[in-house]
Amino acid sequence: GENVEQHPSTLSVQEGDSAVIKCTYSDSASNYFPWYKQELGKGPQLIIDIRSNVGEKKDQRIAVTLNKTAKHFSLHITETQPEDSAVYFCAALGVGGSSNTGKLIFGQGTTLQVKP
Amino acid sequence: NAGVMQNPRHLVRRRGQEARLRCSPMKGHSHVYWYRQLPEEGLKFMVYLQKENIIDESGMPKERFSAEFPKEGPSILRIQQVVRGDSAAYFCASSPQVHQPQHFGDGTRLSIL
Repeated sequence: GENVEQHPSTLSVQEGDSAVIKCTYSDSASNYFPWYKQELGKGPQLIIDIRSNVGEKKDQRIAVTLNKTAKHFSLHITETQPEDSAVYFCAALGVGGSSNTGKLIFGQGTTLQVKP
Repeated sequence: NAGVMQNPRHLVRRRGQEARLRCSPMKGHSHVYWYRQLPEEGLKFMVYLQKENIIDESGMPKERFSAEFPKEGPSILRIQQVVRGDSAAYFCASSPQVHQPQHFGDGTRLSIL
């Protein structure tokens, strides 16, 4: 079945350092890959997304890269700040038959801790 | 613009009771998705609805769970005869079209006594 693997499960960095989170997906037909940030007691917040027709997208300190051949995509956060501390989830849009179903398949999450 | 609104934020039920979770999508969004999150885990898809239609319910348990999104009013996720294993956070998301980004509410945390 469709599956998304996410690594690492926990990540601790010093303020100002970079953080990288990696995900692999199983369905080669998936074409949309969002990243969400979840703070305690809150819902997931979309922070960046990428579609399969591009290899990289950047928004200020956040960037996402996609390798369709290898079926993996990564989140890069530069100049990390304590407020970046949260759980980050990658996801891939599930494909049912010949069209997208709207179903997001989520990774297991990465708890990022940024130490001041 | 108001985001996705879910209520109640917390719900406590005894085993055997019914739980009703409500979700009002963002203005202009006609596609609604429900996900369940167990402690320390990622979100699992349950069901995808458009107004008055269930499009994909492949993640819904076959028994006790149902969902609707009527022409007027919020989407409802209904769990009948709740059991301890139903304890989780239930999140709703909405999008203007199926291939557009999904925006989430802050969830309903369901606890079963």
